[in-house]
Amino acid sequence: RKEVEQDPGPFNVPEGATVAFNCTYSNSASQSFFWYRQDCRKEPKLLMSVYSSGNEDGRFTAQLNRASQYISLLIRDSKLSDSATYLCVVNHGFNKFYFGSGTKLNVKP
Amino acid sequence: EAGVAQSPRYKIIEKRQSVAFWCNPISGHATLYWYQQILGQGPKLLIQFQNNGVVDDSQLPKDRFSAERLKGVDSTLKIQPAKLEDSAVYLCASSWGRGTSGFPGTQYFGPGTRLTVL
Repeated sequence: RKEVEQDPGPFNVPEGATVAFNCTYSNSASQSFFWYRQDCRKEPKLLMSVYSSGNEDGRFTAQLNRASQYISLLIRDSKLSDSATYLCVVNHGFNKFYFGSGTKLNVKP
Repeated sequence: EAGVAQSPRYKIIEKRQSVAFWCNPISGHATLYWYQQILGQGPKLLIQFQNNGVVDDSQLPKDRFSAERLKGVDSTLKIQPAKLEDSAVYLCASSWGRGTSGFPGTQYFGPGTRLTVL
């Protein structure tokens, strides 16, 4: 079983739509969680960390559900510039990170 | 603040040849990671250094891959001999270590080296 699993998509949405991605993780002892964004042929960049209480950064909201072992990312009012692959990242401690395969988002005009 | 530097950006070699990649992390970052990212997949950790010591190399194919970080700063990843399945982007990342919360620090990635093995 993979450490981190994501729906590869693509999610094709119109501008202004709300879209949500989920990511499941297998290790219940996982300590910290992140969403990274990766543009085509570019390196991953941190979008946001995911805290136990959930957190929001502008149009982006991240939630953690430890009981069901998943994290989610909600994007409101999608922009064309949000088109990218979103990588779910889980940490088990000791600075060791596991990446999901990513969910591709296409925002259409 | 300067980011993570990697070179070369692109490399094309024939199978059975050797290749080396270089990474210079953000100044002061103690932890350095090498990842392999195959097209359509997420990055896979190859090796992790804390200063100049190896923390995790469990997924490094040690019969052909090697890495070093001799002075605890920059690092080199080598493949010898290369196989067709080594075609991928090799990403270097660094982090300060542990964040103020005790959790690991944010990883910052370099632009990667795109390797094509023919």
